[in-house]
Amino acid sequence: DAGITQSPRYKITETGRQVTLMCHQTWSHSYMFWYRQDLGHGLRLIYYSAAADITDKGEVPDGYVVSRSKTENFPLTLESATRSQTSVYFCASGGGVKLQETQYFGPGTRLLVL
Amino acid sequence: RKEVEQDPGPFNVPEGATVAFNCTYSNSASQSFFWYRQDCRKEPKLLMSVYSSGNEDGRFTAQLNRASQYISLLIRDSKLSDSATYLCVVTFSGGYNKLIFGAGTRLAVHP
Repeated sequence: DAGITQSPRYKITETGRQVTLMCHQTWSHSYMFWYRQDLGHGLRLIYYSAAADITDKGEVPDGYVVSRSKTENFPLTLESATRSQTSVYFCASGGGVKLQETQYFGPGTRLLVL
Repeated sequence: RKEVEQDPGPFNVPEGATVAFNCTYSNSASQSFFWYRQDCRKEPKLLMSVYSSGNEDGRFTAQLNRASQYISLLIRDSKLSDSATYLCVVTFSGGYNKLIFGAGTRLAVHP
């Protein structure tokens, strides 16, 4: 099916472990984004990518690494997970330089770090 | 001060009621404005854009007041299916269409 998918949908891990969250979109959007959503906060941007091999930091990048070797994939890695990274993570695509261009969100990954 | 502020609610209203949410934003350079809807444990989805002249989409009306830096969303004839969290979103161009999200206003419509 066309759209934007994330995997896994749920993940439990332990402090200090490396975790990779996957994001895949079939629209060929040039822009892709990673957000985290926590209670009491709006979605906060972690990293974004304007195109393959072009990535940049968002508002809360510390502790995260991204890569984008292919336009359709944008994985997010937590190099050494901490409890403060327990959150819901949303990937999005679209939303390029056209001001009215919206972003489309994946279903989210719920991550629990013990 | 948060860049986008919303009353978290919840707004508890009966079916058929009219309800309004407001949102304020701090950056006067903000250029585009949206309302997103987020159902419980689901991803945000675009509800409607907000234009300076105001715009309507069925039972939903959005207004923008640039001078006072606030955005509103009016829902008429509320349905049970309108129960969700409504996210106010502002954007400004800084190399990409940067979205700034409010924390959301929760609406609960009851029979």
